[in-house]
Amino acid sequence: AQKITQTQPGMFVQEKEAVTLDCTYDTSDPSYGLFWYKQPSSGEMIFLIYQGSYDQQNATEGRYSLNFQKARKSANLVISASQLGDSAMYFCAITPLYTGFQKLVFGTGTRLLVSP
Amino acid sequence: NAGVTQTPKFQVLKTGQSMTLQCAQDMNHEYMSWYRQDPGMGLRLIHYSVGAGITDQGEVPNGYNVSRSTTEDFPLRLLSAAPSQTSVYFCASSNDRDGGSEKLFFGSGTQLSVL
Repeated sequence: AQKITQTQPGMFVQEKEAVTLDCTYDTSDPSYGLFWYKQPSSGEMIFLIYQGSYDQQNATEGRYSLNFQKARKSANLVISASQLGDSAMYFCAITPLYTGFQKLVFGTGTRLLVSP
Repeated sequence: NAGVTQTPKFQVLKTGQSMTLQCAQDMNHEYMSWYRQDPGMGLRLIHYSVGAGITDQGEVPNGYNVSRSTTEDFPLRLLSAAPSQTSVYFCASSNDRDGGSEKLFFGSGTQLSVL
């Protein structure tokens, strides 16, 4: 069984500042993948970043980086230099590998508001 | 450049009616899945498929049927709609079995209301 916990229902940040969104996970699978998705008010799911459990280095994608601490079972998303367009819901998700990423378990999400 | 296409975008049903949500992908992806998203919650897996002719249940399969007769299409059938099935439905596909940085592609969603 897998579980994602996102303990921050809402976060506020000022434009151009960095923000960390927390994600802890639990899994019995030895190999797994962790995702972060952004969901703006328009409703679509936008892929941000992926980290495999076997990856030695933390993933980065532009202004997004994933602070992966395997021993602590955490996969926090760091957004550097926040922009107004970053205001959205953010979901952390986990999946066992070797299923084509078709068995994602999502957290309840964190709503991020970026102010000018 | 279609990606994952879901139809319809909006649908209102009466309790007891049946309908099919359509999902098609043009990326020749092997893996497809259906999720539902209820207000204030993350997505939950309904059914998934690892290839044509192969489907399996996810976390919340009751009240839904799927089939995968072609690689491209993965329709979701509501057998007898109930108000508890009011939700936003997302279809997704991918082609990476062994991990890596391949992302999961989501459709734009279908908002379903059951009265």
